[in-house]
Amino acid sequence: GAVVSQHPSRVICKSGTSVKIECRSLDFQATTMFWYRQFPKKSLMLMATSNEGSKATYEQGVEKDKFLINHASLTLSTLTVTSAHPEDSSFYICSAREELPYEQYFGPGTRLTVT
Amino acid sequence: GQNIDQPTEMTATEGAIVQINCTYQTSGFNGLFWYQQHAGEAPTFLSYNVLDGLEEKGRFSSFLSRSKGYSYLLLKELQMKDSASYLCAVVDSNYQLIWGAGTKLIIKP
Repeated sequence: GAVVSQHPSRVICKSGTSVKIECRSLDFQATTMFWYRQFPKKSLMLMATSNEGSKATYEQGVEKDKFLINHASLTLSTLTVTSAHPEDSSFYICSAREELPYEQYFGPGTRLTVT
Repeated sequence: GQNIDQPTEMTATEGAIVQINCTYQTSGFNGLFWYQQHAGEAPTFLSYNVLDGLEEKGRFSSFLSRSKGYSYLLLKELQMKDSASYLCAVVDSNYQLIWGAGTKLIIKP
């Protein structure tokens, strides 16, 4: 199956700093990428949908100025958590979608801890 | 609104069979996925159903009834490594994935 990489896998940062997470589709072109957040023992929460070359579509309640998403190419999307706070600590997962059958391939996730 | 229902938690015995149900009400339907997620890891693809009926893949099978808005994932010959959360997700009319909350499956020896 298709492979999606995510970097870094784990990051610890201090409150007030910014963190960038990269998501890459390694063997296919992903016109659409998704960013999810997952709290312990909870299901995936969609944060935003990004299409290559256009602005991301954010879900209700997700601050677009805090979670900056860039989808500059068909194989790369980045999520930047700006001015991170401890409540931003979470498991962030990206996925990339092929057109048919619209299956999403997930990256391995990034565990963010803000101290 | 859109809604996906699946049991929160299930327990089964190693070597047995377990069926995890998923019911959905969504705006449109373009397929249903089952994903497996181990703790601390990203989900991995298990199955995709878009037509009614049973799809078998090794120890795992998935069933779909579109008229009933119902699917199940059947796991046979359970192994300890099958302990995980199982997520049901429906592709709606906008081709977006609507996620269920997941079913945590606990396998006991």
